[in-house]
Amino acid sequence: DGGITQSPKYLFRKEGQNVTLSCEQNLNHDAMYWYRQDPGQGLRLIYYSQIVNDFQKGDIAEGYSVSREKKESFPLTVTSAQKNPTAFYLCASTQGESYGYTFGSGTRLTVV
Amino acid sequence: AQRVTQPEKLLSVFKGAPVELKCNYSYSGSPELFWYVQYSRQRLQLLLRHISRESIKGFTADLNKGETSFHLKKPFAQEEDSAMYYCALGRGGSEKLVFGKGTKLTVNP
Repeated sequence: DGGITQSPKYLFRKEGQNVTLSCEQNLNHDAMYWYRQDPGQGLRLIYYSQIVNDFQKGDIAEGYSVSREKKESFPLTVTSAQKNPTAFYLCASTQGESYGYTFGSGTRLTVV
Repeated sequence: AQRVTQPEKLLSVFKGAPVELKCNYSYSGSPELFWYVQYSRQRLQLLLRHISRESIKGFTADLNKGETSFHLKKPFAQEEDSAMYYCALGRGGSEKLVFGKGTKLTVNP
């Protein structure tokens, strides 16, 4: 069953901690993306990667970091520098923009 | 800058009534446009894309380059259409989609 798996579903972080959100896909897609979804804000692009070992900043990259060591995996680290990390995070991939994106089920991060 | 505007945050219609979710975009190039839907407790999924000119679940959308719009329409709304709808703009080649802020559609019985 092909798709994108995000884990964990819920994540709680203490102030000052870094946390890493996992995103794995078995669709053989080259491009992967991280979006942040906030109520009334839509989806905002954090980082994206079009090929292994390469990634670019999106519109709201500050306080986040990523890596793309394998085609299947695109983990997102939310660092302590992110001032307002509580949000719903969505990972997506595509075989080509014209086909649209396939999304994961998301991770809800809460700072406690 | 590329931008997608969905002017209605909330839209409420009665079952059987026509529904139109508005989407306007700003882009000087040749756009690729999509509608995504997020049902309650489900993941975001592609509803339709303008290049395929298909009808999914009774929904259609026509790209109007003159008005820079890509409104989503359905002649007879169903209760199961209640969801969050996002319009998205592709900028061609860069593979990055820009999303609107979404419209929450509620279809009342």
